[in-house]
Amino acid sequence: ELKVEQNPLFLSMQEGKNYTIYCNYSTTSDRLYWYRQDPGKSLESLFVLLSNGAVKQEGRLMASLDTKARLSTLHITAAVHDLSATYFCAVDILGAAGNKLTFGGGTRVLVKP
Amino acid sequence: GAVVSQHPSWVICKSGTSVKIECRSLDFQATTMFWYRQFPKQSLMLMATSNEGSKATYEQGVEKDKFLINHASLTLSTLTVTSAHPEDSSFYICSAGAGGIGWETQYFGPGTRLLVL
Repeated sequence: ELKVEQNPLFLSMQEGKNYTIYCNYSTTSDRLYWYRQDPGKSLESLFVLLSNGAVKQEGRLMASLDTKARLSTLHITAAVHDLSATYFCAVDILGAAGNKLTFGGGTRVLVKP
Repeated sequence: GAVVSQHPSWVICKSGTSVKIECRSLDFQATTMFWYRQFPKQSLMLMATSNEGSKATYEQGVEKDKFLINHASLTLSTLTVTSAHPEDSSFYICSAGAGGIGWETQYFGPGTRLLVL
């Protein structure tokens, strides 16, 4: 059974500082995703990482993937209040009925002034 | 592009009644649709996967007779929560997959918040 673990579960950030969220998964995967969820809202897609060594950046967020270590990281540079949200990683595996996403437990981020 | 809608966005119902939630892909045809459930402060859990014209595949622990899924077309899937009880209160999110079975990118709907009194 595929397991996806994120840590930390909660991250209190100070504006202007850098932080990293970690996502470990237990078996070989086809793709790894990062999503953002604001309170009461659905998921917003941030990144999809397809291969070992993949790195993607958008604004203050950068995601990377190490398939050998089964580890992805989401790095936040110079945190700002607008980045407060819950971040999920998800791993997909091809199933009989199509690709299935398994989500990590989420990391709740609160950026304080 | 790749917009997924859900209706209703929120619903309150009495215990014992049934509730239907619609999930539509607005500008693409979805090979597969997925239904997730999210309890407060928890992650998303996949409930079932459905392909157009075939029976849904339910995840372990999900009662298929309670959560009826109909995938009538390539743009519409419905989830019916039958005989709802307070413990079914949750945030239900659908996603629609595009790109062919086995290589879908999932596009998420805005979610439906269900409160069962």
